Amino acid sequence: DTEVTQTPKHLVMGMTNKKSLKCEQHMGHRAMYWYKQKAKKPPELMFVYSYEKLSINESVPSRFSPECPNSSLLNLHLHALQPEDSALYLCASSQGTGIQPQHFGDGTRLSIL
Amino acid sequence: AQKVTQAQTEISVVEKEDVTLDCVYETRDTTYYLFWYKQPPSGELVFLIRRNSFDEQNEISGRYSWNFQKSTSSFNFTITASQVVDSAVYFCALSEGADGQNFVFGPGTRLSVLP
Repeated sequence: DTEVTQTPKHLVMGMTNKKSLKCEQHMGHRAMYWYKQKAKKPPELMFVYSYEKLSINESVPSRFSPECPNSSLLNLHLHALQPEDSALYLCASSQGTGIQPQHFGDGTRLSIL
Repeated sequence: AQKVTQAQTEISVVEKEDVTLDCVYETRDTTYYLFWYKQPPSGELVFLIRRNSFDEQNEISGRYSWNFQKSTSSFNFTITASQVVDSAVYFCALSEGADGQNFVFGPGTRLSVLP
């Protein structure tokens, strides 16, 4: 079983909906990440939180809004998404940023109608 | 700028064959970290190994082995006596600088091990 838990596993939403993806880890890691992965492509980094502060935002559209309520939780709020946003969204955590191995969740497979 | 190249898009082998996955990286930093991750069909990425730029010692872990050569900027991964469960997409990744703030995956190699 993965130590990083993502919910939901699957999400279908319309372009006008508002939804949130959730990620939780209890390994005491202080860095958490959101990635977007399209089919047959590598994961692309979206956001990095280090000690609950947003440290990296890779020019992601504002329709994606991250939130880190505490060191164990990471949310990704979605609003007015486009069909091209359909992808696998992966959450990861690590003890520190960059040089430490990242532990990944199973991902949320998002489909935008 | 940093870049990771995995020239093999897809590889198919028959069970029990050995297979090597290539990874070539490009960086101007003297301090960097290299990783390999496995992504099975279930979707979760699994960390396999991390190497820093100052440690060129090769490593073996069971059927897995890694060959790090700074002279050719390569960090290749070999699976010995492959098994069907090894079928997955394998990503090489590079993290640059002492803080490793820049992290990028290579394009991945899809390995299919046939029974």
